[in-house]
Amino acid sequence: DAGVIQSPRHEVTEMGQEVTLRCKPISGHDYLFWYRQTMMRGLELLIYFNNNVPIDDSGMPEDRFSAKMPNASFSTLKIQPSEPRDSAVYFCASSLGGPISYEQYFGPGTRLTVT
Amino acid sequence: GNSVTQMEGPVTLSEEAFLTINCTYTATGYPSLFWYVQYPGEGLQLLLKATKADDKGSNKGFEATYRKETTSFHLEKGSVQVSDSAVYFCAQTHNNAGNMLTFGGGTRLMVKP
Repeated sequence: DAGVIQSPRHEVTEMGQEVTLRCKPISGHDYLFWYRQTMMRGLELLIYFNNNVPIDDSGMPEDRFSAKMPNASFSTLKIQPSEPRDSAVYFCASSLGGPISYEQYFGPGTRLTVT
Repeated sequence: GNSVTQMEGPVTLSEEAFLTINCTYTATGYPSLFWYVQYPGEGLQLLLKATKADDKGSNKGFEATYRKETTSFHLEKGSVQVSDSAVYFCAQTHNNAGNMLTFGGGTRLMVKP
C-alpha cells in the first residue's frame, strides 16, 4: 500500500519565485497536515485539513504561504514570493483521525532551497 | 498547555549499549503518546505508541511505558545497533484538538561500532 507521496523531493529556486509543493495522502485518511522542519525551529505544524476543509492555519508564517485541498487525494502548499528564509524540509502527513487512530503517517518530504 | 520535553542530544553510545531517551508531557487528561524515528533524508516514521496509562508500546526492540503519575514516556532499548542512529521524537495528542500532535524537539542518537 502506498504511503504519503510528496513531490518534488527537492526544489531549488530563486528568491521571488513561486513554489508549489504537492502531497497525496494515504487513501481513506480524513486528516492532512503540512509541517516545516528546520535546524533552528525544529518541526512546526503549518496547517491541517479535515475532510478537505482547513481547520487550523495558525502556523502558516505569513500571507506568502497558502494551502489548498481540492479533493481527498491531493493537497498543495504554495509560497509566493519565496524568500531564502523559507528554505527547509516540508513534510505532509495524513491520519485516519480519532477515535480510530491518532497516529500520523509522514511523507518523505520536499527539501526546498531558496537562493 | 501542551508541550513535550525531551532530553537534548546528541546521545552517543557504543553498539550493544543500553539506551534511554527521556520524554515528559504536560497534557491534562489521557493523551495518546507516540515515539517517531527519523532516519537521515527521510520523513518521520511511527516507532511505537501507547493510548492509556500503564500501556507499554514496543517495536523493533524499543519500549516505552505510559506513566501517568510522572507524566513520562521514556524510550528504552536494551542493546542498540549502528542502524538505530537517527533522530527520535516524542509526541502527544493535543488537549483541545485530539487530531493534532505536539512533538518534542527531537533527540539525535549516534551509535558507534
